[in-house]
Amino acid sequence: DTEVTQTPKHLVMGMTNKKSLKCEQHMGHRAMYWYKQKAKKPPELMFVYSYEKLSINESVPSRFSPECPNSSLLNLHLHALQPEDSALYLCASSQDGQGDTGELFFGEGSRLTVL
Amino acid sequence: SQQGEEDPQALSIQEGENATMNCSYKTSINNLQWYRQNSGRGLVHLILIRSNEREKHSGRLRVTLDTSKKSSSLLITASRAADTASYFCAIRPYGNNRLAFGKGNQVVVIP
Repeated sequence: DTEVTQTPKHLVMGMTNKKSLKCEQHMGHRAMYWYKQKAKKPPELMFVYSYEKLSINESVPSRFSPECPNSSLLNLHLHALQPEDSALYLCASSQDGQGDTGELFFGEGSRLTVL
Repeated sequence: SQQGEEDPQALSIQEGENATMNCSYKTSINNLQWYRQNSGRGLVHLILIRSNEREKHSGRLRVTLDTSKKSSSLLITASRAADTASYFCAIRPYGNNRLAFGKGNQVVVIP
């Protein structure tokens, strides 16, 4: 079982909706990540938080808004998405995201469908 | 590109056979990692090899790294049906905390 928990597992939303994806880890990790994965493709990095500060934004459109309320929680707020944003959204954590070797622990993902 | 690239992209083998996948990359790396992903699930870390290591074992997994050729291989010995999954190599470039994934390698183990 993964120690990174993502909710919801599935989400269907319209293009005008506002929704959020949530991620939680209790391993004491200080770095958390959002990845987007399309079918039969590798995960693509979206955001990295290190010590609760946004350290990497891979030029992600502003309709995706990350939030890290504390070291255990990571949210991804979704607004005015497009059908092409439909994908598996994966959350991951690692020890500290800076000096560590960077083994990532992934959640099971949230499958998002935008209608 | 900083990404790793696996070769071959798809592999179908009989249970009990060995499966070998290769990964090439273009930049200097801190380490290289292999992950497994079952269909529609999250990725699971399998093994990490540092740039100063040449070979590493974990159970039925054997990973090699040749930094002069910028390539790595993953060997799964005595494959099982449960090994059916996608396998990704991922590189952590030197001086960069982004983990860049390769395209992935679909492995099907036929019982």
